[in-house]
Amino acid sequence: EDQVTQSPEALRLQEGESSSLNCSYTVSGLRGLFWYRQDPGKGPEFLFTLYSAGEEKEKERLKATLTKKESFLHITAPKPEDSATYLCAVQARGSGNTGKLIFGQGTTLQVKP
Amino acid sequence: GAGVSQSPSNKVTEKGKDVELRCDPISGHTALYWYRQSLGQGLEFLIYFQGNSAPDKSGLPSDRFSAERTGGSVSTLTIQRTQQEDSAVYLCASSLDPGGTGGNTIYFGEGSWLTVV
Repeated sequence: EDQVTQSPEALRLQEGESSSLNCSYTVSGLRGLFWYRQDPGKGPEFLFTLYSAGEEKEKERLKATLTKKESFLHITAPKPEDSATYLCAVQARGSGNTGKLIFGQGTTLQVKP
Repeated sequence: GAGVSQSPSNKVTEKGKDVELRCDPISGHTALYWYRQSLGQGLEFLIYFQGNSAPDKSGLPSDRFSAERTGGSVSTLTIQRTQQEDSAVYLCASSLDPGGTGGNTIYFGEGSWLTVV
């Protein structure tokens, strides 16, 4: 069964304290791995898509990496405005898969000034 | 519009009533998804539409839930005889081409917050 597990569930950082969020996945064949940011009361906001092991993408203080079993979202020198829930999702290959995303439970990040 | 548009943004309904939630996807996007997010929970897949293909209804939790997509654009999610456990945020998303190797980013709307009292 395709599955996504995110850790930790919650993370508190001081402003400027770098850290990483983990997303472990099992999928029959990976079409893509997605990272989203979700603010309270809002829909998920797209951040990155990764397609193959070894791929990396960056946006401002965020950097996403991918291996065959997991993805990391690295946050460098975070600011309070980076506080949000970060969601990881996978999209599986195969004729039986319609492109739907399978989501993890998310990591809620709080950055204190 | 520029993004996925959902209405209503908030809905309070009495137990047993029917509700309809509307989604207007990004123009030109052929794939449309409905997800549900209960308080403190992850996103749960409900249903998927792609062009003229039969929809993937594998995530619908019961026969009280149904959805349609008219003219390959706007979609309506209907919940009949609502129950308190149906209270959640219902998120709609769309993408350009889910079958492609790239460019298949899925964009979400802001959601419809449903409260059943």
